Amino acid sequence: DTAVSQTPKYLVTQMGNDKSIKCEQNLGHDTMYWYKQDSKKFLKIMFSYNNKELIINETVPNRFSPKSPDKAHLNLHINSLELGDSAVYFCASSQYHEQYFGPGTRLTVT
Amino acid sequence: KQEVTQIPAALSVPEGENLVLNCSFTDSAIYNLQWFRQDPGKGLTSLLLIQSSQREQTSGRLNASLDKSSGRSTLYIAASQPGDSATYLCAVRTGANNLFFGTGTRLTVIP
Repeated sequence: DTAVSQTPKYLVTQMGNDKSIKCEQNLGHDTMYWYKQDSKKFLKIMFSYNNKELIINETVPNRFSPKSPDKAHLNLHINSLELGDSAVYFCASSQYHEQYFGPGTRLTVT
Repeated sequence: KQEVTQIPAALSVPEGENLVLNCSFTDSAIYNLQWFRQDPGKGLTSLLLIQSSQREQTSGRLNASLDKSSGRSTLYIAASQPGDSATYLCAVRTGANNLFFGTGTRLTVIP
C-alpha cells in the first residue's frame, strides 16, 4: 500500500546511455514532482506537473524530460547521460500543497 | 530568489533532551512551510505542514512554529529518543508548485 513508489531503486549505467525512472502514486493527487538530491544532500526541484501544466526548472538540461501517461504516473526520461547526472532522484506528489515523497532512485553514471 | 538556510548543520544531543532546529528563509511571501525527516538512504517523510496564516503546528513530541514576517521557523523536539536520529529538512512553498529546501540539520541522539 505504498503511497509513492519508484523503480528502480538503484540504477548504474554508462555515459551516453538513455534511461528512465518510473514513479507511481496511489493517493489520487493531482500534482507530481521530480527532485534531484546531489552529493551534498541538497534537494532541488526539477519539474512539477499536473494534468494541465508542466513547470520546468530552468536550470534542468533538456536531456531530462518528464512523461505522464496518466494522472497516477510521472516518469523521468534522461537522454545522453553524463557523469554529473549521478544523484538520488525523488518523485513526489501533493494535494493541498503537502508533499509525499517516494523512496528515491540512486543513479550512478560511470 | 528564495534561499532557505538551516542551523545548525549537525547536532548531537543525549537522549531525553529537548532540542530546537532552526530554519530561515529570505522571501517571506510563502504559501506554507513543511518539515521533513530523511533517514540515511531513504526518502523524505513529512512531519508537519504550517500554512502561511498559521503560527504553529503540533504532532506528538514535535512542535513547529512559523514567523513569516521575520522569515523563521523552528522545529522543537521534546524528550529526544535515539529513533529521532535523522536529517531534518525544512521546505517553503512559493508560488503554486515551487518548493525550496533547506540544507538540512543532521541530528544524532545518543543513548
